[in-house]
Amino acid sequence: DTQMTQSPSTLSASVGDSVTITCRASQSIGTFLAWYQQKPGKAPKALIYKASILESGVPSRFSGSGSGTEFTLTISSLQPDDFATYHCQQYNTYPWTFGQGTKVDTK
Amino acid sequence: VQLEESGPGLVKPSETLSLSCSVSGASITSASYFWSWVRQAPGKRLEWIGRIYPTSGSVNSNPSIKGRATISLDVSRNELSLKLTSVTAADTAVYYCAKTVAAAGFYYFNSWGQGTLVTVSS
Repeated sequence: DTQMTQSPSTLSASVGDSVTITCRASQSIGTFLAWYQQKPGKAPKALIYKASILESGVPSRFSGSGSGTEFTLTISSLQPDDFATYHCQQYNTYPWTFGQGTKVDTK
Repeated sequence: VQLEESGPGLVKPSETLSLSCSVSGASITSASYFWSWVRQAPGKRLEWIGRIYPTSGSVNSNPSIKGRATISLDVSRNELSLKLTSVTAADTAVYYCAKTVAAAGFYYFNSWGQGTLVTVSS
């Protein structure tokens, strides 16, 4: 299986901050990586796919980059609605696997 | 596309967990989509259980489930189903159904149900 590791596990930030979350794959996955946002009690919501393509309707302050084994999700100016948990997921090979999640909370 | 899971919230150990996912806004038989089950145990990462491709009926499952999962489609009801046998407390989780586009490079989950909590306990 391809193991996905996110860092940090928790990130404390303020509205207006730029934040970056990293996701590392245990083997190369090309650009077959997605990012999701999840709020408590809700289903995940797709933000980015193919490492850098923004899902329709997602604000442009979200961006993704990377290829191979290292990927980043950046929120350029954190908004109150962005405090949530973020997950990465590889879909290069079965079984599709997720990172452990990064919680973005208020500093 | 809307997805909605349903099923018992409590299952006894060693029994079979059965869930359904009602799909609206898309045909469950469309060649354009895969249909998956994903779960999230308390405090754990999301775990993909498996997916079905309606055109071929092919199913890919996560080896971590050890062959206990059966994913199928009910075309007459436009529903996806999951059966998980011999459950233990480790199967306690929120279970989601989710849709992916069946095209290379697009196997991410772009629609999700709201999730249903299943607790395994006697």
